[in-house]
Amino acid sequence: DAKTTQPPSMDCAEGRAANLPCNHSTISGNEYVYWYRQIHSQGPQYIIHGLKNNETNEMASLIITEDRKSSTLILPHATLRDTAVYYCIVRVSANQGGKLIFGQGTELSVKP
Amino acid sequence: DSGVTQTPKHLITATGQRVTLRCSPRSGDLSVYWYQQSLDQGLQFLIQYYNGEERAKGNILERFSAQQFPDLHSELNLSSLELGDSALYFCASSVSLDALGGTDTQYFGPGTRLTVL
Repeated sequence: DAKTTQPPSMDCAEGRAANLPCNHSTISGNEYVYWYRQIHSQGPQYIIHGLKNNETNEMASLIITEDRKSSTLILPHATLRDTAVYYCIVRVSANQGGKLIFGQGTELSVKP
Repeated sequence: DSGVTQTPKHLITATGQRVTLRCSPRSGDLSVYWYQQSLDQGLQFLIQYYNGEERAKGNILERFSAQQFPDLHSELNLSSLELGDSALYFCASSVSLDALGGTDTQYFGPGTRLTVL
């Protein structure tokens, strides 16, 4: 399973963009990068996923490098409610059942 | 609201007891996943069911078992409970198009907090 590396914590000022990096140097060609977040002890919330191309939805943007060895999740205008632990996950290939392997994630603190 | 429901929200029990956690997937989802989140282990995959059949197994203890019923809801049974089983238990569901080579986003429920005293 491809392993991901994320900084343990980051701070961001409210209203500014939050850029959360993730390294996944052993990712396979058919593995997707998924981002989830967990606010306090709530259930993890899906944010976005991608394979090769950059992706954007109403919550965030995902930038994947051309070699696919790293990615960045961008929250364009962070609010206090975005304070959470953010998990970057490389999705196990389908023939292995598709489980999600969570690392320690990045604890993002959005400050006023 | 993800559309995945879990009951109960909280459960307090004693060592040696048996409990059952229930999960109802999103409408139309065929796959159910169970995860455990404890303070020292983080979020860990336990088991997956797809359309009533076990599909993948993680680090699930022999004292734990699960099943998925014809109406697609799932139950996680935990027996001979120990103090170390205290954790948050999350259920997730997905449509599960894996067989077709598509991506398959998992949506998580709010969890059941189990406290073993």
